[in-house]
Amino acid sequence: SQTIHQWPATLVQPVGSPLSLECTVEGTSNPNLYWYRQAAGRGLQLLFYSVGIGQISSEVPQNLSASRPQDRQFILSSKKLLLSDSGFYLCAWSGTSGGAGDTQYFGPGTRLTVL
Amino acid sequence: AQSVTQPDIHITVSEGASLELRCNYSYGATPYLFWYVQSPGQGLQLLLKYFSGDTLVQGIKGFEAEFKRSQSSFNLRKPSVHWSDAAEYFCAVVRTYKYIFGTGTRLKVLA
Repeated sequence: SQTIHQWPATLVQPVGSPLSLECTVEGTSNPNLYWYRQAAGRGLQLLFYSVGIGQISSEVPQNLSASRPQDRQFILSSKKLLLSDSGFYLCAWSGTSGGAGDTQYFGPGTRLTVL
Repeated sequence: AQSVTQPDIHITVSEGASLELRCNYSYGATPYLFWYVQSPGQGLQLLLKYFSGDTLVQGIKGFEAEFKRSQSSFNLRKPSVHWSDAAEYFCAVVRTYKYIFGTGTRLKVLA
């Protein structure tokens, strides 16, 4: 069966520090991968998605970047964190049947607090 | 543009009572619709999904949802709520690879 991991689970970082959040998927090949941010009372916002190694699409302009160095690894980064980067970050994967209804499966999330 | 509205931010029900969480969507074509549940500090778990066919969809944990095209709705229901159902619920519509989520409904269950 497929599993998705995220780490760290919780992170507290000072403003201006770098960030690296990691997401890995097991039990599937060539998944689509996604990064979401969840801010209190604002639902989930899609930040990035990737359909293959090195292929990243950004949904919103921001202080963050994403990379996919391996098929089942997805990394969210920042060179300098802002207070507004605080939130709950969720990684998700889906199959690639090509249908719009490919179900997305979510990881446990990372709680980021920027002070 | 596609959008999802969950008009109820908070809902409180008594244990054993019935539940209905509302979801309205805006989408030009036949939508793919999902309901997810999120326990505090956790990721999202898929409850059910609608692609086509029967408009009444059964999901896990005793939940069901009904797709009503005329009302652009996909409301989630459960006939008898358990205390463990307390969580946040998200409706989503899919556009190509992209899920568009509602802002969520937080459910509180009274003993």
